[in-house]
Amino acid sequence: EAGVVQSPRYKIIEKKQPVAFWCNPISGHNTLYWYLQNLGQGPELLIRYENEEAVDDSQLPKDRFSAERLKGVDSTLKIQPAELGDSAVYLCASSQNKEGTQYFGPGTRLLVL
Amino acid sequence: AQSVTQLGSHVSVSEGALVLLRCNYSSSVPPYLFWYVQYPNQGLQLLLKYTTGATLVKGINGFEAEFKKSETSFHLTKPSAHMSDAAEYFCAVSDPFGKSTFGDGTTLTVKP
Repeated sequence: EAGVVQSPRYKIIEKKQPVAFWCNPISGHNTLYWYLQNLGQGPELLIRYENEEAVDDSQLPKDRFSAERLKGVDSTLKIQPAELGDSAVYLCASSQNKEGTQYFGPGTRLLVL
Repeated sequence: AQSVTQLGSHVSVSEGALVLLRCNYSSSVPPYLFWYVQYPNQGLQLLLKYTTGATLVKGINGFEAEFKKSETSFHLTKPSAHMSDAAEYFCAVSDPFGKSTFGDGTTLTVKP
């Protein structure tokens, strides 16, 4: 069974540029999470989806971040414009439902110059 | 509100020695508790989890953890460390609604 797939794995951009990350969850998993992981810290939830509905986006900086999960499968996280402080690893995870075990992708490492 | 505190950002042990990684949590509802391991440039992998029932939980790679409600702890142990155990370990607490909070992690170094 394929795991959670994320792309790109690495991204380097200049500040004020836009960037997008893509996540393909495990087949059949209804719940999808986007996390931000800063160096030396644990993951912090940005947004959680139940199917195509964002049920928890309280920690998503909505002035520059947006996300979508069309058709309740793949998801895209966008930053526009990127700032230096956005340099971090962006992790995607999925689970069968909100009580289920979360399976993590390898993450996208973003560097903003 | 819920939170996780991992005591010790770095732990170093000799190969074959006991591994003990400490985790304390706070939660206003009965918690679900997790330990994850993260190898460099990889995502988090579940080691073990506690939801209900037996308080001593066994996981993969010989790890286990014990849920102690009175101490609000969920410490991770392994009787004998192996070089391949060197990684970063995260404790997490989740509420029944699916909201998870992670600790800041403990880096485990295993000396030969």
